[in-house]
Amino acid sequence: AQKVTQAQTEISVVEKEDVTLDCVYETRDTTYYLFWYKQPPSGELVFLIRRNSFDEQNEISGRYSWNFQKSTSSFNFTITASQVVDSAVYFCALSENSGGSNYKLTFGKGTLLTVNP
Amino acid sequence: EPEVTQTPSHQVTQMGQEVILRCVPISNHLYFYWYRQILGQKVEFLVSFYNNEISEKSEIFDDQFSVERPDGSNFTLKIRSTKLEDSAMYFCASSEGWGGYGYTFGSGTRLTVV
Repeated sequence: AQKVTQAQTEISVVEKEDVTLDCVYETRDTTYYLFWYKQPPSGELVFLIRRNSFDEQNEISGRYSWNFQKSTSSFNFTITASQVVDSAVYFCALSENSGGSNYKLTFGKGTLLTVNP
Repeated sequence: EPEVTQTPSHQVTQMGQEVILRCVPISNHLYFYWYRQILGQKVEFLVSFYNNEISEKSEIFDDQFSVERPDGSNFTLKIRSTKLEDSAMYFCASSEGWGGYGYTFGSGTRLTVV
């Protein structure tokens, strides 16, 4: 079973539309961390946000906002008033305490967002 | 802001050749990782390294792969005999600790095996 599921493979919107990217995770740990990364066409991974399992407060950063709901194991990402520069692949990722000194990140398959002018 | 540096940015190699991908993690970080991303696919964990030894490796990380921290600053990934299916983007990452410290990724090395 996938630990991080991003059910939307591709989303296409027109500029200025709002768009929500879904992320559902699976873990048995009570302490874990969730991340969102952006991968533009240039290929690098750009860190967007980190959230720990004890902090369910939603967060807003400019046009970006995140909705963390432990009850549904979801950590969704909304871009308000999307822009062409938001076009990228977005990855949700989970860090669990796998024991010992291993703290790897497990990524979802990513959502390709295309924002058309 | 401190960066993780990866070299080269792009490497082309012939099948069967050995390649070494290099990374300079952030100096005060203790945990080091290699990830792989085949074109158009998700980012996959390869190996984690702490206290000069491998702490976990994935099923992808077979005997053809090895990692080393030869001089206290560099962190290398070696592929002994490359195959066509090793063509991918390889990302190095480092962190101070678990999760809450975050992970800093390098900009990646695109490996093309021909």
